[in-house]
Amino acid sequence: GESVGLHLPTLSVQEGDNSIINCAYSNSASDYFIWYKQESGKGPQFIIDIRSNMDKRQGQRVTVLLNKTVKHLSLQIAATQPGDSAVYFCAERAGNTPLVFGKGTRLSVIA
Amino acid sequence: GAVVSQHPSWVICKSGTSVKIECRSLDFQATTMFWYRQFPKQSLMLMATSNEGSKATYEQGVEKDKFLINHASLTLSTLTVTSAHPEDSSFYICSAIDAGTDTQYFGPGTRLTVL
Repeated sequence: GESVGLHLPTLSVQEGDNSIINCAYSNSASDYFIWYKQESGKGPQFIIDIRSNMDKRQGQRVTVLLNKTVKHLSLQIAATQPGDSAVYFCAERAGNTPLVFGKGTRLSVIA
Repeated sequence: GAVVSQHPSWVICKSGTSVKIECRSLDFQATTMFWYRQFPKQSLMLMATSNEGSKATYEQGVEKDKFLINHASLTLSTLTVTSAHPEDSSFYICSAIDAGTDTQYFGPGTRLTVL
């Protein structure tokens, strides 16, 4: 069936460097994409979203890029900080269907 | 930003008892809420979609008689785990869509441990 997956299960970066977390999706009908951050023992925290009529969206220190041609989504975190250490999930939705979550990438920031 | 709360944040119960978890959207109305389950080091698994004033829609493999969902108002949905067993121990997370922005927000989760 349709699924959302991640290329890298773990990512370690030096504090201050930029982080890039990638996600591939397979449902060509998906029109809404979200990145969530989940810290241990907590619920997912909304980071940023993007709709299919856009290819880039920026937030505070974060940028989401969408490439519909290759069905690829990425999250860029600028100047990564220790507080950014968490598991990051991409999720996609087609119309009014429920969100489909990827497997998650653990980001570890090395001080 | 929008806030979704859950109560309790953790609960320990004996096998065979029922546990109710509440999910509230604090500053927006949510016609649709979702209940997820998450095992350690795994992604979120959708259990059911809860629509205000109507019956919940359960995902394949989720027992509707075991996981009772009630969406009584635009800000409250409840999940009751009936006759809980140790295999029901998990992290249960609710989510709600802010109809104004179409953004989906998540609650902090409820850790259920069944002894």
